[in-house]
Amino acid sequence: AQKITQTQPGMFVQEKEAVTLDCTYDTSDPSYGLFWYKQPSSGEMIFLIYQGSYDQQNATEGRYSLNFQKARKSANLVISASQLGDSAMYFCAMREANFGNEKLTFGTGTRLTIIP
Amino acid sequence: KAGVTQTPRYLIKTRGQQVTLSCSPISGHRSVSWYQQTPGQGLQFLFEYFSETQRNKGNFPGRFSGRQFSNSRSEMNVSTLELGDSALYLCASSLRLAGALYEQYFGPGTRLTVT
Repeated sequence: AQKITQTQPGMFVQEKEAVTLDCTYDTSDPSYGLFWYKQPSSGEMIFLIYQGSYDQQNATEGRYSLNFQKARKSANLVISASQLGDSAMYFCAMREANFGNEKLTFGTGTRLTIIP
Repeated sequence: KAGVTQTPRYLIKTRGQQVTLSCSPISGHRSVSWYQQTPGQGLQFLFEYFSETQRNKGNFPGRFSGRQFSNSRSEMNVSTLELGDSALYLCASSLRLAGALYEQYFGPGTRLTVT
């Protein structure tokens, strides 16, 4: 069964510093996708970045990058130059490609607080 | 392009009642998935609809059901509400094309409180 582990319940980071949010996963499916979402206090889940299991390069989207280490089954999110607006819950999620399954399995999340 | 919309945003119901939540996906997206988020259980997959058919279902009792219309809009129904059904219900839409993994875009959620 697929599983996502986020071991950091909460993190405090100084504004303008870079921050790494950890995510490890477990799956027996060779084809899968890894996703990061941001959830502000309003509740909406905001898609940040996606990495496919066969992608050779690490994904990047603006200040977000995904440090994908396939052999270690880790997909850490890196936020460069953090801003106050980055304070939110961050969820790592995975979807297996087999059987056209749209189900996302989420980790427990990391609450990130940016300190001015 | 408009995002995923969910109505209502907030709902208060009494135990034993039933509730219907609505979700309109992003234009062109034909897959709609529903998730339940609670402090205790986190984010859990309820079900997914594609082309008006339920394609996948999570581990929830039969009180939770849904449907999808020809315009891809989806509704979720919970019958005989229990206190434990209090949660944020999130709807997500995606392109869902065979052989590819696409990101899911979420709506703002419906916060259901059962008293």
